[in-house]
Amino acid sequence: EVILVESGGGLVQPGGSLRLSCAASGFTFGNFAMSWVRQAPGKGLELVSAIIGNGANTYYADSVTGRFVTSRDNAKNTVFLQMHSLTAEDTALYYCAKSTNSRAMDYDSWGQGTQVTVSS
Amino acid sequence: EIVLTQSPATLSLSPGERATLSCGASQSVYSNYIAWYQQKPGLAPRLLISDVSKRATGIPDRFSGSGSGTDFSLTINRLEPEDFAVYYCQQYGRSLSFGGGTRLEIK
Repeated sequence: EVILVESGGGLVQPGGSLRLSCAASGFTFGNFAMSWVRQAPGKGLELVSAIIGNGANTYYADSVTGRFVTSRDNAKNTVFLQMHSLTAEDTALYYCAKSTNSRAMDYDSWGQGTQVTVSS
Repeated sequence: EIVLTQSPATLSLSPGERATLSCGASQSVYSNYIAWYQQKPGLAPRLLISDVSKRATGIPDRFSGSGSGTDFSLTINRLEPEDFAVYYCQQYGRSLSFGGGTRLEIK
């Protein structure tokens, strides 16, 4: 069974930083691309970042480019999202999602999400 | 960036009816890389369809996807009470984006 568990969310002041983690189990982690998808309260889904199986390529939404960095540790079956210069617009539930293969970015498994709230 | 526009925003139907949800892309989707997800309140999205028409594991055959180029659709035959939810399309060809969602509600 695939299990994805996000952690690291919380309340942070505008301009602050936060690091999210997603611990994965139940599959050969390095064989699959991973992504972060966020959902602001009452809103739709927004793809934040993605990283392919070997970590060689990443993708970022325009709204986070230059502020967020995604990485992965295949030895620890964990993907990360380092977030800097946070604003109120980054307030959302952040989901970790597993792709259906090493490069495609459709997602067959999702975590339960970790809440990020940016407020003074 | 490819913008996906879903219509209608809200669809009101009764159990047993057929639902047709549309997803239009601002430009042609590379390799027809379109997926559909279902999301219920308080839960993470669930993958229904990949590659325009390939059902994900465990998805009943009353769900079907079709389309090409810039026009795609999700059809749900014989609506069951558990089908009422929000549906999102996603393209994963060049760049990555989600549509704004269609809320399927009970009439």
